[in-house]
Order: sequence, then structure tokens, then C-alpha cells
Amino acid sequence: GAVVSQHPSWVICKSGTSVKIECRSLDFQATTMFWYRQFPKQSLMLMATSNEGSKATYEQGVEKDKFLINHASLTLSTLTVTSAHPEDSSFYICSASGTGNEKLFFGSGTQLSVL
Amino acid sequence: AQSVAQPEDQVNVAEGNPLTVKCTYSVSGNPYLFWYVQYPNRGLQFLLKYITGDNLVKGSYGFEAEFNKSQTSFHLKKPSALVSDSALYFCAGLSSGTYKYIFGTGTRLKVLA
Repeated sequence: GAVVSQHPSWVICKSGTSVKIECRSLDFQATTMFWYRQFPKQSLMLMATSNEGSKATYEQGVEKDKFLINHASLTLSTLTVTSAHPEDSSFYICSASGTGNEKLFFGSGTQLSVL
Repeated sequence: AQSVAQPEDQVNVAEGNPLTVKCTYSVSGNPYLFWYVQYPNRGLQFLLKYITGDNLVKGSYGFEAEFNKSQTSFHLKKPSALVSDSALYFCAGLSSGTYKYIFGTGTRLKVLA
């Protein structure tokens, strides 16, 4: 089946620094990628939807200047958490879908800890 | 508003017994429905989906789910649970023609040896 690679798996950073998370579709072209945030024992919260070559669509309450999303190619989307703070600590998951494919393929997630 | 509900936070079942994880939905049009499983510190893995056709859908690892339109349910089932099935299970819905998934809150399945 299709594979989505997400890295890093774990990142620990100091408050005020920026962190970039990459999401790659390895064997298909991902026309749409989604970024989710998951808090402990809670469901996935959709942060934004990105389509290749266009600006991401952010969900209500998600700061676009805080969470920068770039979907520069059909196989790569990045999420940059800018000026991270402890409250940004969370598990971030990307997913991708191909053209005409309703099934989502998920990355393995990134656990971000901001000290 | 569209929603997917998983009424149980946790389900405990003895190994070898049948298991059911419940899901109800409120999705406009003809819904696409999915089950995903998540192991600790991992992304979600696809189990099965219902798009159209037979109401009983068979998926990975011996799981199956039944689409019930009158009850707006899509419960996940397995005839004989394994300890290795212990994980967090998410039901998700999708309105046809969109790609915006709606996830349930997840149900933690614990299979006891």
C-alpha cells in the first residue's frame, strides 16, 4: 500500500525556536495533505489542509503565522511550528490522499516537546 | 453539524471473545465511513472502509464493520479478539465529494489475556 513518511518522530526544542516537520508520500502523488494535532487521549484535530502549489486552508482557531505549511511538490508537505512554546507540545500527524482516492494514508507522527 | 461519535472511551474484552467498538455518524449525503487503528506513538493505520455496496465490510486483521443506515451506525467487530488488537481505534466519516475527514474521539480497546 501507499506509504507516507513523516519525520522527525521525536523532537525536543527550547521555547522560542522553530521546528520543521516533513511529510512525504513515497510512492504516490499526494494532491492533498492534511495536518492534524492530537492531544493525549483525544481525537485528531484537523489543523489545515494543503494542496500542492496553493496556500493551505487553516481550520478555525489555528494560527497560520504560527503553523506554517508548505506543500511545494506532490510528494512533500512541511509544517513549521514557529517560535514554539510549551503549549505547542503535542503529537502532530500528517496524512495524504491521492487524486480520486478517498482513503487517507498517515505518517507515523511527530511528538514535539517544547521546554 | 456533521459529526462522528464513539460513545465508549474504553472497551475491555477477554482474549478469544468477540469484540465490538461502536460508532455512529451524522454525515450529509452518502457517507464514506472508515476505521483506523493507532498504536502508541504511531500514526493511524487504515483498517477498512464503507463507500457503497454490501453493508458488511471486511478489513485488515480479521476486522469487519457493518453499515446500518437506519441506525446511522458503523460498528467495528471481530469474532475473536487478540491481545495484539489492544490499541486506540478511530471511526471517521467523509462527505462524498469532499476530503475533510471527521474523526470520532477514539475508543481504547484493551484485550485481556
